[in-house]
Amino acid sequence: EVHLVESGGDVVQPGGSLRLSCAASGFTFNEYTLHWVRQVPGKGLEWISLLAWDGHTTYYADSVQGRFTISRDNSRNSLFLEMNNLRAEDTALYYCAKEGQDYGGIYFDSWGQGTLVTVSS
Amino acid sequence: NVILTQPHSVSESPGKTVTISCTRSSGSFASNSVQWYQQRPGSSPTIMIFENHQRPSGVPDRFSGSIDTSSNSASLTVSGLRTEDEADYFCQSYDDDNLWVFGGGTKLTVL
Repeated sequence: EVHLVESGGDVVQPGGSLRLSCAASGFTFNEYTLHWVRQVPGKGLEWISLLAWDGHTTYYADSVQGRFTISRDNSRNSLFLEMNNLRAEDTALYYCAKEGQDYGGIYFDSWGQGTLVTVSS
Repeated sequence: NVILTQPHSVSESPGKTVTISCTRSSGSFASNSVQWYQQRPGSSPTIMIFENHQRPSGVPDRFSGSIDTSSNSASLTVSGLRTEDEADYFCQSYDDDNLWVFGGGTKLTVL
């Protein structure tokens, strides 16, 4: 069974930094692309970033480009999100999500429970 | 950037059928497939429909998806509504730069 467990969420001041982690188990970690998705409580989902299985191919949403960096450690089955120059609008629950494939389609087949980031002075 | 527009809320009675729409601002669902996720209160999202109309194993056949290329829209239809279907539903697709995009979500109330 796939498990994704996020950690690292905290209260941080505007302009501050934070590093989120996602510990994965139940699948061959280095074969799958992983994503970060965030959600302001009670609001919609916002895709943030992806890092391909190869550890090199990355994409970022415009809202975080240049401030957030996604990385992974395949030896530790872990995904990370380095968040710099945080803003109030970055306040959200951050999910780690695993990409799955079936019948030629790509989708999120597993999600973690999320870790809460609050940016406030 | 692509915007996916969903109705804020829909409601219907148990046993009835409801359809949730997702309209794409540019590009095409024919080129960039749509997925649908269900999120119950307090839980993480789960996949209900992928590749426009495919159902993952374990998802009841009461859930179905379709696209209409003429209106650049996608639809999630839930038939035989049950109280446990009450949740938020999000459509998701991709833009031309391979960035993932979500719709704003639709709250389904089963009265």
